[in-house]
Amino acid sequence: EDQVTQSPEALRLQEGESSSLNCSYTVSGLRGLFWYRQDPGKGPEFLFTLYSAGEEKEKERLKATLTKKESFLHITAPKPEDSATYLCAVNTGNQFYFGTGTSLTVIP
Amino acid sequence: EAGVAQSPRYKIIEKRQSVAFWCNPISGHATLYWYQQILGQGPKLLIQFQNNGVVDDSQLPKDRFSAERLKGVDSTLKIQPAKLEDSAVYLCASRWAPGELFFGEGSRLTVL
Repeated sequence: EDQVTQSPEALRLQEGESSSLNCSYTVSGLRGLFWYRQDPGKGPEFLFTLYSAGEEKEKERLKATLTKKESFLHITAPKPEDSATYLCAVNTGNQFYFGTGTSLTVIP
Repeated sequence: EAGVAQSPRYKIIEKRQSVAFWCNPISGHATLYWYQQILGQGPKLLIQFQNNGVVDDSQLPKDRFSAERLKGVDSTLKIQPAKLEDSAVYLCASRWAPGELFFGEGSRLTVL
């Protein structure tokens, strides 16, 4: 059964304290792994797509990496405005399977 | 480029009443998705359209939910009759394959 698991469920960081969010997946025929950011009351906002193991993408304080079984979203020196829920999704063609997200809170 | 438009943003109804949500995808996006997101969970697919045809509606509770995409552009999702457990955010997304999903702001439904 295709499955996407994110950990931790919630993460509280001090401003400037770097950390990583995990997305592990078991799917057949990965066509891409997607990271989204979701602010309260808003729809998910696209961050990155990764297609093959070893691939990395960066945007400001965020860096996403991909292996054959999991992806990490590394956040370096986070700021309070990085507080949000981060969703991971895998694509197997037509289908997108979402994880339950990691709720990140960055404390000033 | 205009994003995915959804309305209404908020809706409160009594159980057993009906409600309809509307979505206008990004121009040129052939694929349209409706997702249900319950608080604290990830989005769950309800139905997927390719142009005006249904690709996947296996998780749509067809006894109460219906959706259509006439002319392959905008779409309507209807719930009738609503149950308490239908309280959620209904997200519409569109895609120009093989890229990412673009989401609207969502329609938050509260069933009392």
